[in-house]
Amino acid sequence: GENVEQHPSTLSVQEGDSAVIKCTYSDSASNYFPWYKQELGKRPQLIIDIRSNVGEKKDQRIAVTLNKTAKHFSLHITETQPEDSAVYFCAASPNTGFQKLVFGTGTRLLVSP
Amino acid sequence: DSGVTQTPKHLITATGQRVTLRCSPRSGDLSVYWYQQSLDQGLQFLIQYYNGEERAKGNILERFSAQQFPDLHSELNLSSLELGDSALYFCASTSTGDSNQPQHFGDGTRLSIL
Repeated sequence: GENVEQHPSTLSVQEGDSAVIKCTYSDSASNYFPWYKQELGKRPQLIIDIRSNVGEKKDQRIAVTLNKTAKHFSLHITETQPEDSAVYFCAASPNTGFQKLVFGTGTRLLVSP
Repeated sequence: DSGVTQTPKHLITATGQRVTLRCSPRSGDLSVYWYQQSLDQGLQFLIQYYNGEERAKGNILERFSAQQFPDLHSELNLSSLELGDSALYFCASTSTGDSNQPQHFGDGTRLSIL
């Protein structure tokens, strides 16, 4: 089955810096990779996702890159702001019907003013 | 607002008791997923239902069970509760049963076992 590893577990940056979170997956059949942001005590919220037919996707200050050969994908946040502080989860899903979405262990991002 | 409704928001009970958590998926979504999140932990997949039928099972304890009703709402039943069952329980829904679709999460039920 699929296994997703996420690094780093914690990340501290200064406001305005960039932040990068990396995930690797094991199942080469996986083709859907969402990223979720979870603020303390709140629900996970989908912030961006990418499918395996593209290598990069951007949405304002957030971007995700995918390297299918190396089986890793990354979340890039530019010009970080204090409100970006949260736990970020990556996930991977194979394109085979009712397979479950597998989540990484999460990265706690702290953006200091 | 994700459109996924979970009740109750908070639940406090004692060890050995039984509770039922409820989830209503977004309008039009046929599939429901249940997750457990213990303090400062990741999301542990419990079980998935699609149009009333169980479709995938994760690390769900035998003391836990779930079902999805004809109106597509789902209930997660937790029995013989232990202190370690204290956690946030999230429900998510998708339009189809395929996991390669965006999952929309409810606000969760915070379960505290005393």
